[in-house]
Amino acid sequence: GQNIDQPTEMTATEGAIVQINCTYQTSGFNGLFWYQQHAGEAPTFLSYNVLDGLEEKGRFSSFLSRSKGYSYLLLKELQMKDSASYLCAVMDSNYQLIWGAGTKLIIKP
Amino acid sequence: ETGVTQTPRHLVMGMTNKKSLKCEQHLGHNAMYWYKQSAKKPLELMFVYNFKEQTENNSVPSRFSPECPNSSHLFLHLHTLQPEDSALYLCASSQDGTSGYNEQFFGPGTRLTVL
Repeated sequence: GQNIDQPTEMTATEGAIVQINCTYQTSGFNGLFWYQQHAGEAPTFLSYNVLDGLEEKGRFSSFLSRSKGYSYLLLKELQMKDSASYLCAVMDSNYQLIWGAGTKLIIKP
Repeated sequence: ETGVTQTPRHLVMGMTNKKSLKCEQHLGHNAMYWYKQSAKKPLELMFVYNFKEQTENNSVPSRFSPECPNSSHLFLHLHTLQPEDSALYLCASSQDGTSGYNEQFFGPGTRLTVL
């Protein structure tokens, strides 16, 4: 079967760094996406990785290791507005997104 | 504002009612999707339309019926729903449904409650 695992909830302090991990087992791989979803709002795109390595975009970075079926999202200089759920999704061989249940990130002052 | 709108934003219906959810995208995309989001569960893909043709139906009960009259509009017709169908229903669109880097843009969702 297809499976995406990520922690249910994490807590971090404003100004700090947090890493949200995602492991996956899917039938085929056409890229891995990270989305951010604030409570009551639509998911919004953060990053896309299809090759191994680190992609940096401002305060957010995303890493992929295809051989390990592993990705992480790194958030630096945390701000209160970063409190949200972070969704990991893998595009399978049929170009459909398989989603994790999301990681709720709580930022404390 | 993602360029994808959904109406209504909230819907309460009885199990014998018939209602429809509407989605419209203003992005010129060719693929549209319906997802179900329940608390603490992964997004569940329900239906996919690519160039107005339905390409995916992930074993969704027949009480959910999609309609895609053109590439900008997508409907989800609901009838004789069950209380367990209460969830957030999200619509999304992407440039197409058959390529890798294919960012999906989501609407704000319809919060459905079935009594």
